[in-house]
Amino acid sequence: SAVISQKPSRDICQRGTSLTIQCQVDSQVTMMFWYRQQPGQSLTLIATANQGSEATYESGFVIDKFPISRPNLTFSTLTVSNMSPEDSSIYLCSVSPGQTNTEAFFGQGTRLTVV
Amino acid sequence: GDSVTQMEGPVTLSEEAFLTINCTYTATGYPSLFWYVQYPGEGLQLLLKATKADDKGSNKGFEATYRKETTSFHLEKGSVQVSDSAVYFCALSDPTASKLTFGTGTRLQVTL
Repeated sequence: SAVISQKPSRDICQRGTSLTIQCQVDSQVTMMFWYRQQPGQSLTLIATANQGSEATYESGFVIDKFPISRPNLTFSTLTVSNMSPEDSSIYLCSVSPGQTNTEAFFGQGTRLTVV
Repeated sequence: GDSVTQMEGPVTLSEEAFLTINCTYTATGYPSLFWYVQYPGEGLQLLLKATKADDKGSNKGFEATYRKETTSFHLEKGSVQVSDSAVYFCALSDPTASKLTFGTGTRLQVTL
């Protein structure tokens, strides 16, 4: 298993500002992912964070809005840029060993409220 | 693309009642199937998983069987407890990657 530390755990931000969320894993992992969980809804994959290269974004998500860094195999950041109230969500970091058919582990999430 | 369909909630049961939460999926290839649970104010935790047809995943009294013929992975528990109150997510992963496709989640409320 993997232990994931995500911070901040929650924040209240002004519209137009940006917030960077950090995800630290206690072991090296191949795959890291960022998900969004909007209020009362399911999880939607934002992007796959690739070590040493640009992140791979899912349809509907763009790098300018959600820049991602992955400087090594244990750490990643997600920035929510130029925030609006519609960005109010829980953002979750997820990791997987990268082998086929293995489970994914999740951080506790960052609860973001944009006012 | 891949998709997961879950029964809508909320589901309200009395303690010791039998629980079924339906989940069906659409996927190419042979995905792995998961149930995750999210307790109030917490992150997601893996509840159980199955990686091939006819596999049964089980944990904490919960069970689900990977049914390829019906593309289903229904979650069951014979006797629920108040502490089982949470949101349950069915999910699948493409066997070539580890990113997950989630269902919409089903909120379970168990009362005394």
